Amino acid sequence: GENVEQHPSTLSVQEGDSAVIKCTYSDSASNYFPWYKQELGKRPQLIIDIRSNVGEKKDQRIAVTLNKTAKHFSLHITETQPEDSAVYFCAATTSGTYKYIFGTGTRLKVLA
Amino acid sequence: DAGVIQSPRHEVTEMGQEVTLRCKPISGHDYLFWYRQTMMRGLELLIYFNNNVPIDDSGMPEDRFSAKMPNASFSTLKIQPSEPRDSAVYFCASSRLAGPYEQYFGPGTRLTVT
Repeated sequence: GENVEQHPSTLSVQEGDSAVIKCTYSDSASNYFPWYKQELGKRPQLIIDIRSNVGEKKDQRIAVTLNKTAKHFSLHITETQPEDSAVYFCAATTSGTYKYIFGTGTRLKVLA
Repeated sequence: DAGVIQSPRHEVTEMGQEVTLRCKPISGHDYLFWYRQTMMRGLELLIYFNNNVPIDDSGMPEDRFSAKMPNASFSTLKIQPSEPRDSAVYFCASSRLAGPYEQYFGPGTRLTVT
């Protein structure tokens, strides 16, 4: 069935460094890829998303890249700050289903 | 808009008791999703509705779990009888048919079954 693999499960970086989280999906029909950030004890919130007709999208310090051929997409955070510390989830969905398949999450720690 | 509303925020109950979780989606949203989150299993989709109709309940763990959406502004997730392994955070989320595809999550209900 549909599956989304996410790596790494934990990531520690020094403040100011970059962080990269990678996801691979199995369903070649997937066409929408959101990234959610979940702070401790809070709800997941969308931080950026990308559609299959786009290869890269940026929003300030956050960027997402998509390689449809390889069926993987990545989240890039530059100039990390302590408030970036959270769990990040990738997901994939297919138009018509509106159903997300979530990755297992990456716990990011930004060390001051 | 108040966002997705869930109640209660915390629920502690004894094994064997019935538990009912409630959700009010964002007004105008066509889709409603119920998720369960645990450390071991991550975020699992339990069931989702489109225009109050259940579309996919393949994630519902067993017959002890049931969900209803009697109207566009209210849904319930019921566990009867509850078991300690049901302890988790349960999230409700909603989204619009017309897009974008973003799902807006509620604050969650932390369920503890002792």
